[in-house]
Parts: sequence; C-alpha cells; structure tokens
Amino acid sequence: EAGVAQSPRYKIIEKRQSVAFWCNPISGHATLYWYQQILGQGPKLLIQFQNNGVVDDSQLPKDRFSAERLKGVDSTLKIQPAKLEDSAVYLCASSLHLVTEAFFGQGTRLTVV
Amino acid sequence: TQLLEQSPQFLSIQEGENLTVYCNSSSVFSSLQWYRQEPGEGPVLLVTVVTGGEVKKLKRLTFQFGDARKDSSLHITAAQTGDTGLYLCASRYNNNDMRFGAGTRLTVKP
Repeated sequence: EAGVAQSPRYKIIEKRQSVAFWCNPISGHATLYWYQQILGQGPKLLIQFQNNGVVDDSQLPKDRFSAERLKGVDSTLKIQPAKLEDSAVYLCASSLHLVTEAFFGQGTRLTVV
Repeated sequence: TQLLEQSPQFLSIQEGENLTVYCNSSSVFSSLQWYRQEPGEGPVLLVTVVTGGEVKKLKRLTFQFGDARKDSSLHITAAQTGDTGLYLCASRYNNNDMRFGAGTRLTVKP
C-alpha cells in the first residue's frame, strides 16, 4: 500500500515569495492533516480536513497561509508571502477516519532566506 | 500553546540503560498515541492507549496510561542505539483534531 506522498521534499525561497506544498494521502483516507514542525519542536496542527470540509483550522495563520482539498483527496498548502519564521518542515498525514491511526509523509523542508 | 507536556525534553544515555519518558495534560484524554520520529522522516505510530490504567508492551517498550487518563509514560528497557529518535505523544481534542507534545529527544550512545 502506498504511503502519504508529499512534494517537494525541499524548498528554499526568499522572504515575501510564495510557495505551495502538495500532499496525496493514502487511498480511501477521509481525514487529512497539515502540520508545521519547527526544528526542535513537536508538530503543530495547522489544518485538519474531513473529506473536503475543514474540521479545525484554529492554528492556521490565515493572513498568509491557505489550504484546500477540493475533491476530498489531494491537498495543497500555500504560504503567501513567506516570512523567515515559516522555515520548518511541513508534514502531511492522513487517517481512515477522524479517530483512527494517522500515517505521515516524509515532509517538505522549507527554508526561507 | 502545547496542551501536552512531555518530559524530559532531552535524554542522553548509554546503550543497555533503562529510561522512562512522560506525557502529561490537565485535560482527560479520550485516547493517547505515542509516535517515534527519526531525522528526515515523519512520525511513526508506536501504540495507542485508550483505557485508564492500561499497559501495553511492544518488545522492549512498555506504555502505561494513567488511571485518570491524564498522563502516560513510555519505558524502554535495555536501550539500543536504534532507539535514538524523537518520541512524541499525541491526543485528540474537541473536534477530534490531533495535537502533539513537544517531544523527548532520546540519544542512545554505544
């Protein structure tokens, strides 16, 4: 069974530029999560989808971050404009349902210079 | 704000030693998960505990869920260098959103 796929693996951009990350969850998984993990910290939930609806986005900085999951499958996370403090690993995860085990992708390491 | 408090933040031990790491919250958990994360990878689930007082064993790893379901511990017996990594606890809140603690970074030296 294929795992959670994320791309790109690495991205370096200048501050004030825009960037987008892509996630393809495990087939059939209804719940999709985006996390931000700053070096030395635990993952911080940015947004959680159930199919194509948002379950929680209370920690998403909505002035610069946006995410969508239009068809309830793939998802994109965008940052516009990026700040230096956005440098982090962005992890995508999926689970069959809201309360079942979450499987993680390898993440996208973003460096903002 | 981290709802889950993990301790210690860092732990460095020699191979063969035993260790325990902790996860605590002021809220009652409906369930709690322990994950292990290696550099450059996403977290991988080790175990889920659901019932207060529950103890689960995974080879040399023993997971315990507090009776009041507000705390949990992970004990590793005879640590090996391959146990090195970031150990994270996670739980679900309000809308079943899954949140993590800050983690315990374990280094096992040969």
